[in-house]
Amino acid sequence: NAGVTQTPKFQVLKTGQSMTLQCAQDMNHNSMYWYRQDPGMGLRLIYYSASEGTTDKGEVPNGYNVSRLNKREFSLRLESAAPSQTSVYFCASNIKDPGEQYFGPGTRLTVT
Amino acid sequence: QKEVEQNSGPLSVPEGAIASLNCTYSDRGSQSFFWYRQYSGKSPELIMFIYSNGDKEDGRFTAQLNKASQYVSLLIRDSQPSDSATYLCAVNGEYGNKLVFGAGTILRVKS
Repeated sequence: NAGVTQTPKFQVLKTGQSMTLQCAQDMNHNSMYWYRQDPGMGLRLIYYSASEGTTDKGEVPNGYNVSRLNKREFSLRLESAAPSQTSVYFCASNIKDPGEQYFGPGTRLTVT
Repeated sequence: QKEVEQNSGPLSVPEGAIASLNCTYSDRGSQSFFWYRQYSGKSPELIMFIYSNGDKEDGRFTAQLNKASQYVSLLIRDSQPSDSATYLCAVNGEYGNKLVFGAGTILRVKS
């Protein structure tokens, strides 16, 4: 039981490049979330998926797209990376209650 | 105004003391309140949650909620150096299916 896994762990991109962050959970959770964490800002919700086949915008969705591929997997795509997207990205999941979330190890992304 | 406010710290306490972490929130309709702990370079992990006014105890941790004052706190008794971390307060959002996090309070327990 791996919990929530994320790939890659680290990534450096040049401005304008694209990439997809992968997230998978093996806990049979319904809801999945993507957050970014910047110094002094706490965790900010980018997108979430309450169930397979649905996605909704969070607080900071601009510049990102998501796909809920199946119940296990929820990916985050940066189509044209910008330096402002330099951050640590966390994926999380939970079965029903929004608060008891389980987090992945994070992806540290640097855009130069 | 941020929806969830925390003092960024650092809050420094000696080993064995009580650490008191505070959080205020703006949405009066919030129903669920959570405390996550995050060690440096790691992901957040849930340590406490509280839904009703009053106190909730779990081992060395006590969560306190006052909905009238829109205030939630976390007390850590007999603080240990291993408690040194950032503590994130989280509150369920407007429609109850999203969390809003505070920026976190850095706690340092000195031996």
